[in-house]
Amino acid sequence: AQTVTQSQPEMSVQEAETVTLSCTYDTSESDYYLFWYKQPPSRQMILVIRQEAYKQQNATENRFSVNFQKAAKSFSLKISDSQLGDAAMYFCAYRSLGGGSRLTFGEGTQLTVNP
Amino acid sequence: DSGVTQTPKHLITATGQRVTLRCSPRSGDLSVYWYQQSLDQGLQFLIQYYNGEERAKGNILERFSAQQFPDLHSELNLSSLELGDSALYFCASSVVGLVQDTQYFGPGTRLTVL
Repeated sequence: AQTVTQSQPEMSVQEAETVTLSCTYDTSESDYYLFWYKQPPSRQMILVIRQEAYKQQNATENRFSVNFQKAAKSFSLKISDSQLGDAAMYFCAYRSLGGGSRLTFGEGTQLTVNP
Repeated sequence: DSGVTQTPKHLITATGQRVTLRCSPRSGDLSVYWYQQSLDQGLQFLIQYYNGEERAKGNILERFSAQQFPDLHSELNLSSLELGDSALYFCASSVVGLVQDTQYFGPGTRLTVL
């Protein structure tokens, strides 16, 4: 079974600065999908970014980008020009190509943005 | 707003009781997923339906059951409730339930078992 680990329970960043959230995963599969979801205090789960394992190019969505290291099984999220609205719990998630389309989530990283 | 709706938003009940959580997927989405978020277990996949049929099952207890109706809405039934069932229950939907689909989450139902 696949596992996802987020080793940073909490992180903080100053407004306008850059922060990187870490995620590692364990899998024996060669093709899969990786995601970062954001959960603000409203508790809504919001997709931030996704990465297909077969793509070598790192995904980017505006101020959010990932550093995908397939060999190291590492998938970090970089938030540039941090804004107060970025404060949330961030979850890394894995989706296998087989066994349905379930998402396997990490434990989450609580991000605080300081003004 | 993801377009996925869940009712009720909050539910408070007693141990031993039975509750039903309801989910309406985004317009056009055929697949529905249920997840449980608790302090002990984190975010866990429970079950997936596609066009009325069960497609995948995760860590769903035997006391829990779900179904997807012809109009594509889904219900999660929780029975013989225990204190440990207190959690946030999310429904998500995607177009066809394929691995490349994006799952859009509803706002969740917060269940408190007293």
